Amino acid sequence: DAGVIQSPRHEVTEMGQEVTLRCKPISGHDYLFWYRQTMMRGLELLIYFNNNVPIDDSGMPEDRFSAKMPNASFSTLKIQPSEPRDSAVYFCASSSHGKLFFGSGTQLSVL
Amino acid sequence: QKEVEQNSGPLSVPEGAIASLNCTYSDRGSQSFFWYRQYSGKSPELIMSIYSNGDKEDGRFTAQLNKASQYVSLLIRDSQPSDSATYLCAVTQGNTNAGKSTFGDGTTLTVKP
Repeated sequence: DAGVIQSPRHEVTEMGQEVTLRCKPISGHDYLFWYRQTMMRGLELLIYFNNNVPIDDSGMPEDRFSAKMPNASFSTLKIQPSEPRDSAVYFCASSSHGKLFFGSGTQLSVL
Repeated sequence: QKEVEQNSGPLSVPEGAIASLNCTYSDRGSQSFFWYRQYSGKSPELIMSIYSNGDKEDGRFTAQLNKASQYVSLLIRDSQPSDSATYLCAVTQGNTNAGKSTFGDGTTLTVKP
C-alpha cells in the first residue's frame, strides 16, 4: 500500500481565496483524521470520520472550514475564505486499531 | 491544564546514552497510549504503542505506562544521532480500536555524536 496520500504538498494562496486539501486514506482503514500543526499550537485535531461519517468536528476552528468524505477512499478539507492565520501544515491520517498513519502533509501559506 | 503534557525540552544527550521522555495525561479513562517520532519537515510516524501498565520493549525503545499516576514514558537506549527528532505522546480515549488521539506538544531530542 502506498500509505496515506495528500495533495497538494504545498499551497500558496492569497487571503480570501478558497483552498481545498485532498486525502486518500489507506485502504481498509475505517477512520480518517484531519490535523493541523503549527509551532504555537502543536498538532490539533480538526475533524475525524468513521466509515465516511463525521464523528467529531469540534476542532474545526470556524465555519470557514468544512470537510467531506464522499467515499472510503477520498476526503477533502476546504477553507473558504482563507486567512493568513490559517497558514500551517495540514495532515491527514487514517487509523487501524487506534494507530495513526499520517500523510506527508500540505504546507499551506496564506498571504 | 492541557490534556496531554510533555517535557518541553529540548533534550540533549550524548551518543550512546539513554534518553528519557515523559508524558502525563489528565483523562483517567484513557486506554491507548502512543509515541510518534517526527523528523523536521516530515510527518509523525508511530514508533511505540502501549495499552496496559508496565513496560513494553521494542529494540532500543521501551515504553512505560503507569495508569495510577497517569504517566507514560519512552526510553531510548544507546541513543544515535539518527534518533534526533521531536517525540510526540498521544493518548486515545475510549475503545482501543476507535476514538481520537490527543497529542502533547512534543519533546525535541538532540543526540550529539
